[in-house]
Amino acid sequence: DQQVKQNSPSLSVQEGRISILNCDYTNSMFDYFLWYKKYPAEGPTFLISISSIKDKNEDGRFTVFLNKSAKHLSLHIVPSQPGDSAVYFCAASETGGYQKVTFGTGTKLQVIP
Amino acid sequence: EADIYQTPRYLVIGTGKKITLECSQTMGHDKMYWYQQDPGMELHLIHYSYGVNSTEKGDLSSESTVSRIRTEHFPLTLESARPSHTSQYLCASSELKGSVGYEQYFGPGTRLTVT
Repeated sequence: DQQVKQNSPSLSVQEGRISILNCDYTNSMFDYFLWYKKYPAEGPTFLISISSIKDKNEDGRFTVFLNKSAKHLSLHIVPSQPGDSAVYFCAASETGGYQKVTFGTGTKLQVIP
Repeated sequence: EADIYQTPRYLVIGTGKKITLECSQTMGHDKMYWYQQDPGMELHLIHYSYGVNSTEKGDLSSESTVSRIRTEHFPLTLESARPSHTSQYLCASSELKGSVGYEQYFGPGTRLTVT
């Protein structure tokens, strides 16, 4: 049973436009959410996170929105740049326990110059 | 910024060989993890460790074993490699961010191919 779902395996966006990557989760115990970016042949790198006490977190061109009632989060990239082309993983964790992070399957973003 | 290293980056090996994938981190993190990822799939947790002499199996059953004798070192061993073990193996360590939430730092991964 996949607890973190990214239903769009790929997304293409023109340079300069907004990229919106979506993620849904089913476990109501998740209270910390993260986005990772992964280039081929490299490990994921942390991008941005949000705790369940917030509904928005911004860091430069990246904003994450959390809708707890819908169990949905999204990552907005504005403006999109060709260097943003990568696979983006949504992840979620619970405080307590062994702090396991559950990952989605990823969305491959292509930013077209 | 966390520094976490994995060697080798790429490994092609024959069936039946014993292999050890190395992972080291210099941040003094207590918690470390091994993930397995196939193309287009999510990262599956196969092992984790709370600290020295603490290891547990993750969600995905794996024939590999791990050890944690030193805080900075978390090697993964396959006693007898098989083609089904072909995958990318990612090592990570984590630290608490503020009062909630653990952020994981990943190594570059080892791409293993068993022929």
